[in-house]
Amino acid sequence: AQRVTQPEKLLSVFKGAPVELKCNYSYSGSPELFWYVQYSRQRLQLLLRHISRESIKGFTADLNKGETSFHLKKPFAQEEDSAMYYCALYSGGYQKVTFGTGTKLQVIP
Amino acid sequence: EAQVTQNPRYLITVTGKKLTVTCSQNMNHEYMSWYRQDPGLGLRQIYYSMNVEVTDKGDVPEGYKVSRKEKRNFPLILESPSPNQTSLYFCASSASGTSGREQYFGPGTRLTVT
Repeated sequence: AQRVTQPEKLLSVFKGAPVELKCNYSYSGSPELFWYVQYSRQRLQLLLRHISRESIKGFTADLNKGETSFHLKKPFAQEEDSAMYYCALYSGGYQKVTFGTGTKLQVIP
Repeated sequence: EAQVTQNPRYLITVTGKKLTVTCSQNMNHEYMSWYRQDPGLGLRQIYYSMNVEVTDKGDVPEGYKVSRKEKRNFPLILESPSPNQTSLYFCASSASGTSGREQYFGPGTRLTVT
């Protein structure tokens, strides 16, 4: 069975400090991994996907198959980054999706 | 405006009283899903649908039913709600194909079962 682990429930960093939100996965097939973000009082929205290797709002994430990780990183945290972040794993060609339990990022001014 | 809508947004009901939460999308997406969000547990997939009349169980389907008679609609049915189904529910949709994996989420429905 597939599993997504986000070990930190809460991550507090100061503005301007680097951020790393951890995500580890367990899946026997070829993984498709995503990061979703939920700002206060807003609906979940896609932040980035591993297949596109893009940088959104300064965030990047690299899929490390050897360590089965997909950590989300940003070199300099901003106050507007404060939100709930979810790592998600898609299985196969369908929409079976497993989310992690989420990490709340709190950026301290 | 492309969007996913859910109704109602808030619902308080009693144990055993059947209810339906509607979900509709206007993006002509093939895939639709239902999730519940609980503190400390994140989002868990209840059911998903690959297209009209094609549905499958997610991780927590017990106590729920779905139907997909039209492409745009994917209602979630609780035949006999129980207090452990008190939760925040999200509907989501996405297009098909490898480039269409992004899910668009609805605003959520907060359900309380007493």
